[in-house]
Amino acid sequence: GAVVSQHPSRVICKSGTSVKIECRSLDFQATTMFWYRQFPKKSLMLMATSNEGSKATYEQGVEKDKFLINHASLTLSTLTVTSAHPEDSSFYICSAKEGAEDSPLHFGNGTRLTVT
Amino acid sequence: QKEVEQNSGPLSVPEGAIASLNCTYSDRGSQSFFWYRQYSGKSPELIMSIYSNGDKEDGRFTAQLNKASQYVSLLIRDSQPSDSATYLCAVNHSGGSYIPTFGRGTSLIVHP
Repeated sequence: GAVVSQHPSRVICKSGTSVKIECRSLDFQATTMFWYRQFPKKSLMLMATSNEGSKATYEQGVEKDKFLINHASLTLSTLTVTSAHPEDSSFYICSAKEGAEDSPLHFGNGTRLTVT
Repeated sequence: QKEVEQNSGPLSVPEGAIASLNCTYSDRGSQSFFWYRQYSGKSPELIMSIYSNGDKEDGRFTAQLNKASQYVSLLIRDSQPSDSATYLCAVNHSGGSYIPTFGRGTSLIVHP
């Protein structure tokens, strides 16, 4: 089945620094990947759709200059949280679809970001 | 606004019982439906996809879809404590974006 790998699984950084999260589709190509954020006991929130070779599409209220997304190849998308602050501490999860557009999302294992 | 509704629970069932999780959606044109399981602190994992009216069975799991009534449900037979998790319903709405809308999830507790 479709495997999405996400790295790192956990990161602690100081306020003001930047953190890069990688998302890879291991056994399939993904022209589109999706980045979610989830706060404790809350539902998944779609942040942006990452498009291979073009600009990401951000959801309303998500700062594109703060959450930089790059989708340079058919198997890799990265999310960089720039100038992180404690309120950015959250669980970030990437996902991708294998095959047809109406196929399900497959999620990476997520990245737990803590900003001190 | 296209919505997906789930009872947040918790739904508590004894071990060995059938757990029934329900989900309703607002967009009558929706075509594809998914159930995910999410353990605390982990990312969601896909349990089932369903696209046509009726039942779809996979092991202890059965997804049921009724497009006329706009609901989709998940039955878990012979519930085990390891099934304790949050179950997310996701719906691909009509309109072509194919970005699923997730419900808030139902917390299931299976007690021994």
